[in-house]
Amino acid sequence: AQKVTQAQTEISVVEKEDVTLDCVYETRDTTYYLFWYKQPPSGELVFLIRRNSFDEQNEISGRYSWNFQKSTSSFNFTITASQVVDSAVYFCALSLIQGAQKLVFGQGTRLTINP
Amino acid sequence: EAGVAQSPRYKIIEKRQSVAFWCNPISGHATLYWYQQILGQGPKLLIQFQNNGVVDDSQLPKDRFSAERLKGVDSTLKIQPAKLEDSAVYLCASRPLASGRAGEQFFGPGTRLTVL
Repeated sequence: AQKVTQAQTEISVVEKEDVTLDCVYETRDTTYYLFWYKQPPSGELVFLIRRNSFDEQNEISGRYSWNFQKSTSSFNFTITASQVVDSAVYFCALSLIQGAQKLVFGQGTRLTINP
Repeated sequence: EAGVAQSPRYKIIEKRQSVAFWCNPISGHATLYWYQQILGQGPKLLIQFQNNGVVDDSQLPKDRFSAERLKGVDSTLKIQPAKLEDSAVYLCASRPLASGRAGEQFFGPGTRLTVL
């Protein structure tokens, strides 16, 4: 079975600070996808990024960056120069590439950016 | 393209009553998921359809929950009778069978259910 752990329940920082959200996963399968989703107060889950298990290259998209390390089974998410609009709950998730591809989510990290 | 539609957005019922939720996935998406998200937790899969067939319903409490996807498009999720612990947001998601955005699921706004 797959498991995703987000140890940080809540994080609060001041605007313009950098913040890193941690994600640790467990799976016996060698082929899988990892995701980050954002859930703003409106409730809809917004896709941010997908990585597959074959590709450990880190990725940067604007102020967002992701660090994938298979050796530690981690897929961490960093927001640089945070903004108030980044306030939301962030979920890390895993799905197997083969089969049903259901998403297994972590518990989520509530991020609050204070002005 | 239009996103995943869900209705109602909010529902308040008393325990032991019945309730139904509706989902209209993105046009052409063959796979449809229902997730339950309890406050403070991540979404948990209840049931997955591919076209109108069930792929995975291992975590669906079948004594009270049922779901169908007639004609492989819209889907309904029903709870009968509801319990207090069913209070949650019910999210519908869809995914095409094959796309360049492999594995990505598209989520609707959810239905927030409160059972009193």
